[in-house]
Amino acid sequence: NAGVTQTPKFQVLKTGQSMTLQCAQDMNHNSMYWYRQDPGMGLRLIYYSASEGTTDKGEVPNGYNVSRLNKREFSLRLESAAPSQTSVYFCASRGLGGLGYGYTFGSGTRLTVV
Amino acid sequence: QQQVKQSPQSLIVQKGGIPIINCAYENTAFDYFPWYQQFPGKGPALLIAIRPDVSEKKEGRFTISFNKSAKQFSLHIMDSQPGDSATYFCAATGGSNYKLTFGKGTLLTVNP
Repeated sequence: NAGVTQTPKFQVLKTGQSMTLQCAQDMNHNSMYWYRQDPGMGLRLIYYSASEGTTDKGEVPNGYNVSRLNKREFSLRLESAAPSQTSVYFCASRGLGGLGYGYTFGSGTRLTVV
Repeated sequence: QQQVKQSPQSLIVQKGGIPIINCAYENTAFDYFPWYQQFPGKGPALLIAIRPDVSEKKEGRFTISFNKSAKQFSLHIMDSQPGDSATYFCAATGGSNYKLTFGKGTLLTVNP
């Protein structure tokens, strides 16, 4: 099925450990986004990539890095995990011409940092 | 600075009722206003969206009302069903990168 695939679905990290969240889309979309969702906070943009080869900071980029590996893949890296990064992470992609209408979200990665 | 304010945080209605969720925005550069529906354990999914050049849009039982001068928009769910129980997010976007700014969400419960 076409869409946005995120791996892993669940992860527990110890404080200070690093990990990379993977995201891939097969819709030939140009733009990709990483959001985090916390209770009562909605979804907040971490980083985005408007097109292959470009990345920009969103609202809450501290503690994260991203890589737009190719048009399909956009990864999010936590270099030194902190308990404040416990959250559900969503990747999304958007094609041309759709404005906000074209967003497709993955099913999320639930990350716990202990 | 929260650019999209959503209320209420939670809402309980009986089957057949008409829940209304309200949002207000601050940034006049926003030019597209989608609503997303999210079920537990799933990612948000687009429900309906509106541009500021129209005051109302209907898709099935879902209606968006838009008031450009007040910078407010709302979601109405007609004849609500238990299957509509979910978290609803309003959002806004504008500019060339189409970054979505979300409200904090409303947890809707529709009792049978």
